[in-house]
Amino acid sequence: NAGVTQTPKFQVLKTGQSMTLQCAQDMNHNSMYWYRQDPGMGLRLIYYSASEGTTDKGEVPNGYNVSRLNKREFSLRLESAAPSQTSVYFCASSDVGLNSPLHFGNGTRLTVT
Amino acid sequence: GEDVEQSLFLSVREGDSSVINCTYTDSSSTYLYWYKQEPGAGLQLLTYIFSNMDMKQDQRLTVLLNKKDKHLSLRIADTQTGDSAIYFCAEMGPGGYNKLIFGAGTRLAVHP
Repeated sequence: NAGVTQTPKFQVLKTGQSMTLQCAQDMNHNSMYWYRQDPGMGLRLIYYSASEGTTDKGEVPNGYNVSRLNKREFSLRLESAAPSQTSVYFCASSDVGLNSPLHFGNGTRLTVT
Repeated sequence: GEDVEQSLFLSVREGDSSVINCTYTDSSSTYLYWYKQEPGAGLQLLTYIFSNMDMKQDQRLTVLLNKKDKHLSLRIADTQTGDSAIYFCAEMGPGGYNKLIFGAGTRLAVHP
């Protein structure tokens, strides 16, 4: 049982390049999320998908797009990377219900030069 | 808006108790959470407390909730070196769907 799998683990981009971060979960969860983690700022929600076929903006969506490809997969795309997007990106999933915990992947460390 | 605040560092001696504190702003939060992050890994749920509770105990962990002061604490008894990690406090954001609002995290260092 892999849980939440993110690829790649590390990535270096030049300013203006594009890339897609992949996330897949095998827990049959309805909801999936993308967070970014920056030093001293905790985790901030970029986008979330409450269920297959829906996506919504979180706290910091600018510069990102997402696709809920199916129930298992939720990808995050940077169309034109900027140094301010240097961060660690975490994908998470959860079941429906207020006390259903978030299950996190191990993160993607992205550096934009 | 919603905000969750924590102190950034805590250093304790092995065997002592650790207390990590957190303040939050949204009094309507139904659940409050503690997550643990070990180096190079994602966050793992440690424990949570429902807003109608004052205290929750789970083995070495004790969570205290003071709703009047919007203060949450996590006590780890008999702290071990394996407890060294970053601990995040989180509250449920508006609109449900488990959109959590996280604090900046408290780095716990346990020394012999």
